[in-house]
Amino acid sequence: DVVMTQSPLSLPVTLGQPASISCRSSQSLVHSDGNTYLNWFQQRPGQSPRRLIYKVSNRDSGVPDRFSGSGSGTDFTLKISRVEAEDVAVYYCMQGSHWPRTFGQGTKLEIK
Amino acid sequence: EVQLVESGGGLVQPGGSLRLSCAVSGFTFSSYAMSWVRQAPGKGLEWVSAMSGSGDITKYADSVKGRFTISRDNSRNTLFLQMNSLRAEDTAVYYCAKGGSGATGTKAGFEYWGQGTLVTVSS
Repeated sequence: DVVMTQSPLSLPVTLGQPASISCRSSQSLVHSDGNTYLNWFQQRPGQSPRRLIYKVSNRDSGVPDRFSGSGSGTDFTLKISRVEAEDVAVYYCMQGSHWPRTFGQGTKLEIK
Repeated sequence: EVQLVESGGGLVQPGGSLRLSCAVSGFTFSSYAMSWVRQAPGKGLEWVSAMSGSGDITKYADSVKGRFTISRDNSRNTLFLQMNSLRAEDTAVYYCAKGGSGATGTKAGFEYWGQGTLVTVSS
């Protein structure tokens, strides 16, 4: 199975400051169709997960542009340009290039 | 508006069975792959199973293979998860999640999620 490793697992951030979460995969996520299926999800306290980013860098509808995704191969990053209070959540990366689908352990973002 | 509503969770003894349902609306159900994803209390997300829109392709996590069966009724816009031989480690909130259409399947993750249904396996 493809192991997804996120860091850090806990991320205290001051409001208005940037934040960055790393996600590394144990195998390349380049699919045979040429796409790279690395997706990011946000789970706020008490809520269901919500997809933020798909295929590395494509923002879902309604996702603020302060969220951005980048990376290639086995190394990916989710960045928040200026953290707001509503960004307190656990963030998960997930790969869709291989079976079984696998998630990272989650990164808990909190306000410092 | 896309809606996914899970039901069927509850308390079951080890070795028992449970059938989860996910009623969907707001999109052409038969055109989209669907998945079940679970989350044990206080833990992260774990993908469980997926099924193509037509129902001809199914996939399972090793942890549930041979015990769980995913199915769908496209005439009733409903996804199911039959869970047999349940174990304590199957205790989790089970989410139904909408994948992509056609060849995309679940590769791009899940755009919509239900609210989840709690399954507790305990004697």
